[in-house]
Amino acid sequence: DTGVSQDPRHKITKRGQNVTFRCDPISEHNRLYWYRQTLGQGPEFLTYFQNEAQLEKSRLLSDRFSAERPKGSFSTLEIQRTEQGDSAMYLCASSSTLRNTEAFFGQGTRLTVV
Amino acid sequence: DQQVKQNSPSLSVQEGRISILNCDYTNSMFDYFLWYKKYPAEGPTFLISISSIKDKNEDGRFTVFLNKSAKHLSLHIVPSQPGDSAVYFCAASWPGTYKYIFGTGTRLKVLA
Repeated sequence: DTGVSQDPRHKITKRGQNVTFRCDPISEHNRLYWYRQTLGQGPEFLTYFQNEAQLEKSRLLSDRFSAERPKGSFSTLEIQRTEQGDSAMYLCASSSTLRNTEAFFGQGTRLTVV
Repeated sequence: DQQVKQNSPSLSVQEGRISILNCDYTNSMFDYFLWYKKYPAEGPTFLISISSIKDKNEDGRFTVFLNKSAKHLSLHIVPSQPGDSAVYFCAASWPGTYKYIFGTGTRLKVLA
């Protein structure tokens, strides 16, 4: 296992279009997280899953955003009707079930909305 | 409201010297703290963590110190190497959640 994998690495889309990102976590990890990072800021939490259950969502996750993790394996993050303010790096991370263990991040998907 | 603060946006250090990166937090419920390193166009890489029951954790050249009374943690890198040049983020978590709150990062430049 080579770590957390995200696809695509870069996405340029026109405003109003829908986009979907994929994350494959480390295989033995059952927790999966999505974060968003904009220039000059640290990553901001969006949502997380334990297995297939979405357990927490941030207020940042508007109704245009939806995340799924069918069968508790890979996850997808969809943004509908993209806006220029959605331009950011979208980061996926995974961790084990144990409390107080580190999360491992993927390389991110850079979204640019034009 | 920024619960985790990194007040120094940048730091330059000579190769071989000590780098000290600082982080302050406001939420006394935080019980787990981490440091991540990030290179451009890559995701954050985990460096070191510390639980609130400890005041120091060491891993090779990296040591994290936690001062709970001051709500302050610091990352020491000794000796600093040019490959350490990156943006460093501190993060914190608290009981009942698994998400992290990140600071805004400090850009470290190690000069050869």
